[in-house]
Amino acid sequence: RKEVEQDPGPFNVPEGATVAFNCTYSNSASQSFFWYRQDCRKEPKLLMSVYSSGNEDGRFTAQLNRASQYISLLIRDSKLSDSATYLCVVSHTGGGNKLTFGTGTQLKVEL
Amino acid sequence: DADVTQTPRNRITKTGKRIMLECSQTKGHDRMYWYRQDPGLGLRLIYYSFDVKDINKGEISDGYSVSRQAQAKFSLSLESAIPNQTALYFCATSQDSTDTQYFGPGTRLTVL
Repeated sequence: RKEVEQDPGPFNVPEGATVAFNCTYSNSASQSFFWYRQDCRKEPKLLMSVYSSGNEDGRFTAQLNRASQYISLLIRDSKLSDSATYLCVVSHTGGGNKLTFGTGTQLKVEL
Repeated sequence: DADVTQTPRNRITKTGKRIMLECSQTKGHDRMYWYRQDPGLGLRLIYYSFDVKDINKGEISDGYSVSRQAQAKFSLSLESAIPNQTALYFCATSQDSTDTQYFGPGTRLTVL
């Protein structure tokens, strides 16, 4: 079983739609959680951190469920520019800043 | 100017050749990392360094070595390249106190 699992997609949605991605992690000692965005052939960039209380940044909302060990990302009012691969990322205690990456979920927003 | 730079950006080499990938950063971070990315496998950690005197193996260090020449520079070497080392390689940096990592633009390496 992979440490961090994501549905690879692609998720094809029309512009303006709301789309949600989930991610599960296997290490219950995991402490920090993130969503990174990666455009084709480019470097990953931090989209947002995920806190236990949930957090929102504009059209993006991230939530963490420690009991079920999953993380979610909700994108409202999708834009064409949201088309990318979204990486779920986890850091655990004892690992310093070492991050474990999911393989990513591909989103395609269409006209 | 980019905070994390990698050279070369693209490289084609032959089996058995030695190759070095270089990473430089102007962010002043102590921690630096090398990853490789393969389709369907996500990013995997090759080596990481928490300061100039501290170098650690990641999950897939076999066939690779690193050198931390200064706080700002971290090089990855393939001593004898093989085709299954064909991948996209990323360098990243982070501050001591946070988990957020900042990535360079990547090096696309092809081993024939």
